[in-house]
Amino acid sequence: EVVLTQSPGTLSLSPGERATLSCRASQSVSSNYLAWYQQKPGQAPRVLIYAASSRAIGIPDRFSGSGSGTDFALTISRLEPEDSAVYYCQLYQNTPPVTFGGGTKVEIK
Amino acid sequence: QVQLVQSGSELKKPGASVKVSCKASGYGFTTYFINWVRQAPGQGLEWMGFINANNGPTYAQAFTGRFVFSLDTSVSTAYLHINSLKPEDTAVYYCAKWYHFGSGGFYDYWGQGTLVTVSS
Repeated sequence: EVVLTQSPGTLSLSPGERATLSCRASQSVSSNYLAWYQQKPGQAPRVLIYAASSRAIGIPDRFSGSGSGTDFALTISRLEPEDSAVYYCQLYQNTPPVTFGGGTKVEIK
Repeated sequence: QVQLVQSGSELKKPGASVKVSCKASGYGFTTYFINWVRQAPGQGLEWMGFINANNGPTYAQAFTGRFVFSLDTSVSTAYLHINSLKPEDTAVYYCAKWYHFGSGGFYDYWGQGTLVTVSS
């Protein structure tokens, strides 16, 4: 089973700054299988990025995904107050089919 | 538009059962997998398993035995049934529609979540 490790646990930044969130897989995976989600308090998650770098419909272009193999990243180029949330990476694989990372909390100062 | 609408919050005693519903609309219900995801208070997302009309249910290892997924295709509704509830089952349960993309996929729509609280 592939394990996803997200870091840092919490990121505290100011509006306009750049945020880089890491998702590391315990073994090499296909980029097609990696997605990122944003979850705000009291809400369901929503997909931001799929296939490691493809932006989902309606997602602002300040969100971008990158990476391959074992190391993936979600970048928020210019933080806005509404970006305060927990971000999860998610992997699709054979067994088990779906795994989530532990999440990174982004706080806006 | 695509919607997944879940049933309301539940408060149950240990040992009881609960049934959470997830009504889908706006897409071909039998074409896509419905997944269930658990989120314990203050914790991350945990995949529970999935079900679709053609293949039946598949459960994550931690959710075999007391957890049952079912579908009623006549009303485009998926159900999560939890038996013999324990306090540690207290969580928000989400249904989510899986979108298969190439050789991978992701969750493109989610229900709003159902809080199940187990307490004596």
